[in-house]
Amino acid sequence: QKEVEQDPGPLSVPEGAIVSLNCTYSNSAFQYFMWYRQYSRKGPELLMYTYSSGNKEDGRFTAQVDKSSKYISLFIRDSQPSDSATYLCAMRLYSSASKIIFGSGTRLSIRP
Amino acid sequence: EAQVTQNPRYLITVTGKKLTVTCSQNMNHEYMSWYRQDPGLGLRQIYYSMNVEVTDKGDVPEGYKVSRKEKRNFPLILESPSPNQTSLYFCASTLQTDRGYQPQHFGDGTRLSIL
Repeated sequence: QKEVEQDPGPLSVPEGAIVSLNCTYSNSAFQYFMWYRQYSRKGPELLMYTYSSGNKEDGRFTAQVDKSSKYISLFIRDSQPSDSATYLCAMRLYSSASKIIFGSGTRLSIRP
Repeated sequence: EAQVTQNPRYLITVTGKKLTVTCSQNMNHEYMSWYRQDPGLGLRQIYYSMNVEVTDKGDVPEGYKVSRKEKRNFPLILESPSPNQTSLYFCASTLQTDRGYQPQHFGDGTRLSIL
């Protein structure tokens, strides 16, 4: 079993829809959670960085962590064609841990 | 502009021909890392470096070498490339602060094809 599971998609939604992207993980010791966005032919770029459980909002993006269920989500409101990309979840054990475990990514397409 | 720069961006080569992929960062980061990205497997760490002259193996180090002689550079060396090393490679760097490691900055990738 992989430490971090992520549905590869592809996920296709119409412009303006709310998008929900999810990851599950098996190691309950993970404390730091990240979402990266990766456009075609580019490297991953950090979208959201959260610690422990709860919600964090940044513009149209909301990251949610449910440690009891070992489940994290990224919500995108008012989705735009420019949001079309692969979204990678990632996590680490603690702040001084250099190692990050990545999900395999979900490919998202927003239809105009 | 803060950047992680990889070269080359694309390379097609043959089995056994030594190659080096360079990585340079201009953010004075101590920590640098190499990943490979394969469909369905996500990003897997090959090697990492905590600082100059300090390197260690990641999850998939076989067939790769690295060196860290200067803080800004972290080249990835394939001494005898094989077709199973065909992949998309990313270099990343980050800073360690008193609050721990910050999220990593990634380069734009190097697509390697080994025939």
